[in-house]
Amino acid sequence: DADVTQTPRNRITKTGKRIMLECSQTKGHDRMYWYRQDPGLGLQLIYYSFDVKDINKGEISDGYSVSRQAQAKFSLSLESAIPNQTALYFCATSALHGGEQFFGPGTRLTVL
Amino acid sequence: AQSVTQPDIHITVSEGASLELRCNYSYGATPYLFWYVQSPGQGLQLLLKYFSGDTLVQGIKGFEAEFKRSQSSFNLRKPSVHWSDAAEYFCAVGGPEYGNKLVFGAGTILRVKS
Repeated sequence: DADVTQTPRNRITKTGKRIMLECSQTKGHDRMYWYRQDPGLGLQLIYYSFDVKDINKGEISDGYSVSRQAQAKFSLSLESAIPNQTALYFCATSALHGGEQFFGPGTRLTVL
Repeated sequence: AQSVTQPDIHITVSEGASLELRCNYSYGATPYLFWYVQSPGQGLQLLLKYFSGDTLVQGIKGFEAEFKRSQSSFNLRKPSVHWSDAAEYFCAVGGPEYGNKLVFGAGTILRVKS
């Protein structure tokens, strides 16, 4: 079984809709991250959480929000989706300070 | 701003030829350094990592990387490329000097020709 899972894997939605992407992990890690990937830009950090009561904005948090429901669950929401949020979204976890991160398989989101 | 540069957007090599992918970081005396690989439609898989110690590190799939502090570089190498190595490769830097987060380069797409 995968250690970091993301649902859904693919989603097509319309402008203005609210969307939630979910991430679950069985690695027992305290730290969780949400990234978006756009061609030629690498991965950009949206939000991160170092424990259940800690939420921090990343480089590109505008238009996004997150919820850390438990150590194992970290959800990303797009309150009102817009076409330039069309991207591949990755969740990741880590155990150490700035150490290795483990990635989920990604969610491909298309906003029409 | 803290940044990671991968100067080559695309690289094409022949199967069996050697490979070197370049990575430079802008900041940090004691960076944590990583190379990840992403195959089409897949997530990111860690190839290798450097925290401290021996500056030449070995990873999976026959890859290695060398940390050169004087050049702020962490280049990835493989002596003989296989067709299955075709993928996108990302360099990343982290550690306390990076707020315990990772900063990623833009990626290098590797094409392997037979």
